[in-house]
Amino acid sequence: NAGVMQNPRHLVRRRGQEARLRCSPMKGHSHVYWYRQLPEEGLKFMVYLQKENIIDESGMPKERFSAEFPKEGPSILRIQQVVRGDSAAYFCASSQTGGGLTAEAFFGQGTRLTVV
Amino acid sequence: AQSVTQLGSHVSVSEGALVLLRCNYSSSVPPYLFWYVQYPNQGLQLLLKYTSAATLVKGINGFEAEFKKSETSFHLTKPSAHMSDAAEYFCAVSEGQSGYSTLTFGKGTMLLVSP
Repeated sequence: NAGVMQNPRHLVRRRGQEARLRCSPMKGHSHVYWYRQLPEEGLKFMVYLQKENIIDESGMPKERFSAEFPKEGPSILRIQQVVRGDSAAYFCASSQTGGGLTAEAFFGQGTRLTVV
Repeated sequence: AQSVTQLGSHVSVSEGALVLLRCNYSSSVPPYLFWYVQYPNQGLQLLLKYTSAATLVKGINGFEAEFKKSETSFHLTKPSAHMSDAAEYFCAVSEGQSGYSTLTFGKGTMLLVSP
């Protein structure tokens, strides 16, 4: 059973370009979470999605960032008009259920975005 | 809101020595607590979790952690460090909201193991 798959592993974008990060959850998982890890920081929650629904986007920046989890295909985190401050590692996690406090989330290897 | 504080951004030990990584949390409700390990350029791997059962939790790779409510702590220990333990370790608390949970992480502690 493959784990959470993220691609690309590394992404370089120039300021003003768009970045699209993909996450395929583990088989049988319908809950996806995105986290961002800035340099010297822990991971910060961004958004929680179920199939075709955004459940909680309280951690998403108000502008330029969006996320989706379509009925078919991977979850996408999209960053428009990237700036240097967007450079970070973006991690996706998936779980089988929302599950309350004990649901275990499995993390992907992350996409490291560098904005030049 | 819940929060996690990890004391010491870097901890250095010799191979074979005791490993102690500190984690304190704040929470207005009984917390669920986790330790994750991150190897360079890798994702996070769950080491162990506390979910209100036994206060001493055993995890993978010989690690364990003890939940102490009176001290609001969840320190991670391992009796004897191996070179392969060198990695970054994150403590996290789970915030349950309306039937789902998100994780709040500490800033991490880099464990350095010398021969």
